[in-house]
Amino acid sequence: DTGVSQDPRHKITKRGQNVTFRCDPISEHNRLYWYRQTLGQGPEFLTYFQNEAQLEKSRLLSDRFSAERPKGSFSTLEIQRTEQGDSAMYLCASSSRTGGGDLREQYFGPGTRLTVT
Amino acid sequence: AQKITQTQPGMFVQEKEAVTLDCTYDTSDQSYGLFWYKQPSSGEMIFLIYQGSYDEQNATEGRYSLNFQKARKSANLVISASQLGDSAMYFCAMREALYNQGGKLIFGQGTELSVKP
Repeated sequence: DTGVSQDPRHKITKRGQNVTFRCDPISEHNRLYWYRQTLGQGPEFLTYFQNEAQLEKSRLLSDRFSAERPKGSFSTLEIQRTEQGDSAMYLCASSSRTGGGDLREQYFGPGTRLTVT
Repeated sequence: AQKITQTQPGMFVQEKEAVTLDCTYDTSDQSYGLFWYKQPSSGEMIFLIYQGSYDEQNATEGRYSLNFQKARKSANLVISASQLGDSAMYFCAMREALYNQGGKLIFGQGTELSVKP
């Protein structure tokens, strides 16, 4: 397995346009997370899935944001009517439970850098 | 509220010397995990080391060790024998509720490490 992949790596869009990002997690991982990272800051949690179920959403995830993981494999993050404040790096991560039941490290993809002009 | 604090925005270290990156955390949970990630200029978050709150021994992974002081709520990263390739941003992160729902990571602001030849 080659790790978590994200597509596209870079996206430039005009304000008001819709954008969609894709994340492919490590194949045996049932948990998938989305984070947003702005310049000079640590990543901030947006939402996560266990299999196909979206179990938690941050208050950062406004109504313009929607995420799906239709078959419990890849996930998409859509931003509608983009604003300049949406410019950031969008990171996807995946993880699984250990045999002991606890949640361990999350493995991150390379991110999608969004620029809204 | 959960919080991670990294008080060193930037650090310099001479090649081959050891360096300590500070991290303090705040949580009311008894069960949590602490992580360190490295983010080179390419942007990908690379997992380095993990410490569970119930682990009695400090975690070590190659040149990385985590100095875990539970009473002081600190989880400092020690990098021994620094290499030029260690130059990057380093993030401390925490996850609460190890065995329950959730699993999102809370990140600190990061420390930029520069290794001098």
